[in-house]
Amino acid sequence: QKEVEQDPGPLSVPEGAIVSLNCTYSNSAFQYFMWYRQYSRKGPELLMYTYSSGNKEDGRFTAQVDKSSKYISLFIRDSQPSDSATYLCAMSALAGANSKLTFGKGITLSVRP
Amino acid sequence: GAGVSQSPSNKVTEKGKDVELRCDPISGHTALYWYRQSLGQGLEFLIYFQGNSAPDKSGLPSDRFSAERTGGSVSTLTIQRTQQEDSAVYLCASSRPGGTGELFFGEGSRLTVL
Repeated sequence: QKEVEQDPGPLSVPEGAIVSLNCTYSNSAFQYFMWYRQYSRKGPELLMYTYSSGNKEDGRFTAQVDKSSKYISLFIRDSQPSDSATYLCAMSALAGANSKLTFGKGITLSVRP
Repeated sequence: GAGVSQSPSNKVTEKGKDVELRCDPISGHTALYWYRQSLGQGLEFLIYFQGNSAPDKSGLPSDRFSAERTGGSVSTLTIQRTQQEDSAVYLCASSRPGGTGELFFGEGSRLTVL
């Protein structure tokens, strides 16, 4: 079993839909959880960062972490064509610059106008 | 520079040749990471530098892979005797000291081994 599992998709939704992206993990030491967004032929960029369990909201994006279930989610409200990208979950046991991130495989999202 | 810079952006080589990939991190970022991204495999950790030392080389897939970092800045990833399975996008990232550990990625070097 991989440390981080993410449904590879792809996922296609109409503009305005609510999108739910999920990852599960097996390493109970993970405490820091991130979502990265990667546009085609670009490097990933940080979208959301959360510590431990709970919710975090930023505009149309909400990240949820349930450590008891080892399950994290990213919700996108009112999805836009510009949200079309690959979304990667990432997590680490440590904070700071010495934290090695473990990534999911990523899911490619397409938002149809 | 403003962001992480990687070169070359694309490299096509023949099986058995050596390749060097370069990464210039964001100025002041002490940590530098190399990841490999293959189709359907996600991001695979290769090596991590803190300054010029590499505390974690656990992700290097074989002894054909090596990396160095000089002056606490530029890093070079070298792949010797390339194989077709080495074809991938090699991503470099850096992070700043005292931060949350957010990785700032370059656009990657796309390696194709024929």
